[in-house]
Amino acid sequence: GQSLEQPSEVTAVEGAIVQINCTYQTSGFYGLSWYQQHDGGAPTFLSYNALDGLEETGRFSSFLSRSDSYGYLLLQELQMKDSASYFCAVREEANDYKLSFGAGTTVTVRA
Amino acid sequence: DAGITQSPRHKVTETGTPVTLRCHQTENHRYMYWYRQDPGHGLRLIHYSYGVKDTDKGEVSDGYSVSRSKTEDFLLTLESATSSQTSVYFCAMGTPLSYEQYFGPGTRLTVT
Repeated sequence: GQSLEQPSEVTAVEGAIVQINCTYQTSGFYGLSWYQQHDGGAPTFLSYNALDGLEETGRFSSFLSRSDSYGYLLLQELQMKDSASYFCAVREEANDYKLSFGAGTTVTVRA
Repeated sequence: DAGITQSPRHKVTETGTPVTLRCHQTENHRYMYWYRQDPGHGLRLIHYSYGVKDTDKGEVSDGYSVSRSKTEDFLLTLESATSSQTSVYFCAMGTPLSYEQYFGPGTRLTVT
């Protein structure tokens, strides 16, 4: 079976930096995705890493280390609107388009 | 986005009754998925489809069935609803060319 571990909650102040870690144990690995979900809303895609290294998209960056089965999502210059749940998800095979999701990290941004 | 919709958005039903949730997409995406979301569990895959009449089970498929007779519609049926199936259900779509899944707005189902 597959297992993805991420912290359940993180709290930070506006303007701060938050790092959400995700460690995974899966039978295969093709790529790691991150999704954001606001309370009452649908998950929306943030980023995807298939290769080791850092991918930057505006204030958000995502990192992957395949050798360590580890990735993280970095949220910079936190804003109140970043208060949401963040999920990591693994795609296990190139020809398998299913995702296995972690339980999610709730980020609370305080003024 | 309006490219994927779910109906109904909310439903309350009694234990033992059949329930069908509908997912409709207008993007001609090949892959469609049904997930359930419960506190502490994230999103768990129930069933998925990789084309018309091609479906397969996910990790929590017991008690659920699906059908896909047209590209745009993916139906999830609870044959005999139980209280443990009270959840928020999300439909999603994707293509082989993209690693991104697009989610519908969700259906909140309560089984009493």
